Amino acid sequence: ETGVTQSPTHLIKTRGQQVTLRCSSQSGHNTVSWYQQALGQGPQFIFQYYREEENGRGNFPPRFSGLQFPNYSSELNVNALELDDSALYLCASSPGTAPGANVLTFGAGSRLTVL
Amino acid sequence: GENVEQHPSTLSVQEGDSAVIKCTYSDSASNYFPWYKQELGKGSQLIIDIRSNVGEKKDQRIAVTLNKTAKHFSLHITETQPEDSAVYFCAASPNSGNTGKLIFGQGTTLQVKP
Repeated sequence: ETGVTQSPTHLIKTRGQQVTLRCSSQSGHNTVSWYQQALGQGPQFIFQYYREEENGRGNFPPRFSGLQFPNYSSELNVNALELDDSALYLCASSPGTAPGANVLTFGAGSRLTVL
Repeated sequence: GENVEQHPSTLSVQEGDSAVIKCTYSDSASNYFPWYKQELGKGSQLIIDIRSNVGEKKDQRIAVTLNKTAKHFSLHITETQPEDSAVYFCAASPNSGNTGKLIFGQGTTLQVKP
């Protein structure tokens, strides 16, 4: 059973650019959630995808968007990058069905630096 | 809004001692409380979790207690070992239907000194 894999592991962008981060969910998991973790802080919920549709969103602007594909993998896109977008972006997958619906398996993250 | 407060932010103990990390949550509808261990370069690992219908859960050296009335829960690690050194996060799952949404605490950096 493979876990959650994310790519790239590290990347550097400049202000105003766009970035795409990728995530492959754990086998058997159909729900993917994305989190932003700033340095020294806990992860913050960005949004969740279920059946290829956004199913819940945290307090993030529309320039944060995502996709989920039929194989349950997912992308996080961030447009018009700002310096404050520098963070570790975590992807987590979950079975999506009770009782373990909210038991998340996290990937190692993508470290984004915006200069 | 939904909030989870975690204390202490840093904790240093001698190998073999116990470590306790405490969290409080604001949303009384929260019904699931996991604890994650985060190490550099690794995915955050779920170490133990508890649901709101249970007051205590134990797994070898790790235990979690939940007080729903006071809206707080705690992680207890006994007989600490150097490999327990990591950042620990508590979280609460609001009963919002978004199964992937967890509200995390700010994290506790645990250092176990040999």
